[in-house]
Amino acid sequence: QQPVQSPQAVILREGEDAVINCSSSKALYSVHWYRQKHGEAPVFLMILLKGGEQKGHEKISASFNEKKQQSSLYLTASQLSYSGTYFCGTEFDSNYQLIWGAGTKLIIKP
Amino acid sequence: DAGVIQSPRHEVTEMGQEVTLRCKPISGHDYLFWYRQTMMRGLELLIYFNNNVPIDDSGMPEDRFSAKMPNASFSTLKIQPSEPRDSAVYFCASSLAPGLAGPSYNEQFFGPGTRLTVL
Repeated sequence: QQPVQSPQAVILREGEDAVINCSSSKALYSVHWYRQKHGEAPVFLMILLKGGEQKGHEKISASFNEKKQQSSLYLTASQLSYSGTYFCGTEFDSNYQLIWGAGTKLIIKP
Repeated sequence: DAGVIQSPRHEVTEMGQEVTLRCKPISGHDYLFWYRQTMMRGLELLIYFNNNVPIDDSGMPEDRFSAKMPNASFSTLKIQPSEPRDSAVYFCASSLAPGLAGPSYNEQFFGPGTRLTVL
């Protein structure tokens, strides 16, 4: 039931764009996106709910395709501070239990 | 607010010893989560509480693991006896309850984690 994230890793130059995907084999109630820097705790980025409600970061956008059971995180004009590992957490039944993907490591080079 | 506080930040112990990890959630948060993170298994939810009551502990790996939340400002995760495969970073996170007038869900705020090494 663990969601599949792709790609596993991506290397960008500062200013380039990236898309990180999260796919589930089960219907989703919500998708949560977090970023974790090395040696630190995960930090909230976005929540996307079934039905279209969103809450999140000003400079990062995401989509949630309920039919395809997947979500994508869009990082545009990437900055050095965007480096880290991005995790999606998926919720199936509105029970607050998040199943996390394996993460996507993003490296931004100047 | 100081955020979620966890102690100790690092713990090194020998196999068979009892380990207690501590967490102080953000004041006013209704939910508290315990997670374990390893390279092999990623981030796993162990147990979560709502208003100090354990809601789901199906992620607790074995009977050696137990968690309590005696009041709204304190929770413990205990491993007894500890084994080398318990070595991991353990995170505590807290969250507000979903709001009736606002967003249907609120984000989880993670503590800095406790890095546990069992020799």
